[in-house]
Amino acid sequence: SQQGEEDPQALSIQEGENATMNCSYKTSINNLQWYRQNSGRGLVHLILIRSNEREKHSGRLRVTLDTSKKSSSLLITASRAADTASYFCATDAGDDKIIFGKGTRLHILP
Amino acid sequence: DVKVTQSSRYLVKRTGEKVFLECVQDMDHENMFWYRQDPGLGLRLIYFSYDVKMKEKGDIPEGYSVSREKKERFSLILESASTNQTSMYLCASSTIAGPQADTQYFGPGTRLTVL
Repeated sequence: SQQGEEDPQALSIQEGENATMNCSYKTSINNLQWYRQNSGRGLVHLILIRSNEREKHSGRLRVTLDTSKKSSSLLITASRAADTASYFCATDAGDDKIIFGKGTRLHILP
Repeated sequence: DVKVTQSSRYLVKRTGEKVFLECVQDMDHENMFWYRQDPGLGLRLIYFSYDVKMKEKGDIPEGYSVSREKKERFSLILESASTNQTSMYLCASSTIAGPQADTQYFGPGTRLTVL
């Protein structure tokens, strides 16, 4: 029961550049979250944006949400080598469950 | 900080063995979840629990069972391990109230190989 779908599947950029990842979903949501996963590790929560919010910032992260288009974007500014990871969007699925997309693999080139 | 720990980072078992994966969280969270993660398939929910002794099936419960005897501990059991259960297993917890509601906190994962 996949809800969110990230785009692109993989992204390689030079260190210092900005990275943008997108997430599209199918049904209405209460909130959308972004998580990061370093290789072989668990997921780490980055940011949650509620359906009545349009934009949210956390450090070098900027998340937007467009409920009319059923889409969200995650922007990482001034990328660093440590940002190399997979990034997942997750949407609420009722009953305290969330559904994850398949992720975007981000690789920061030195 | 929320801490979710899993009993093993790597585990190798033989086909037919009974396997226990343990997860413990220290933030008094009501909800706990077990996922498996496979390349190209993303995270899939196996089971979740809202409270002690309570469990609900996720999307792929076949071949698995769970136990939650204490609020902080959620165990995933593979009754008879099979090779198609080779995967990364991730445990998570969340609270139902307050500003952190809906956010899931993950353990480091257990990479299980069934031979």
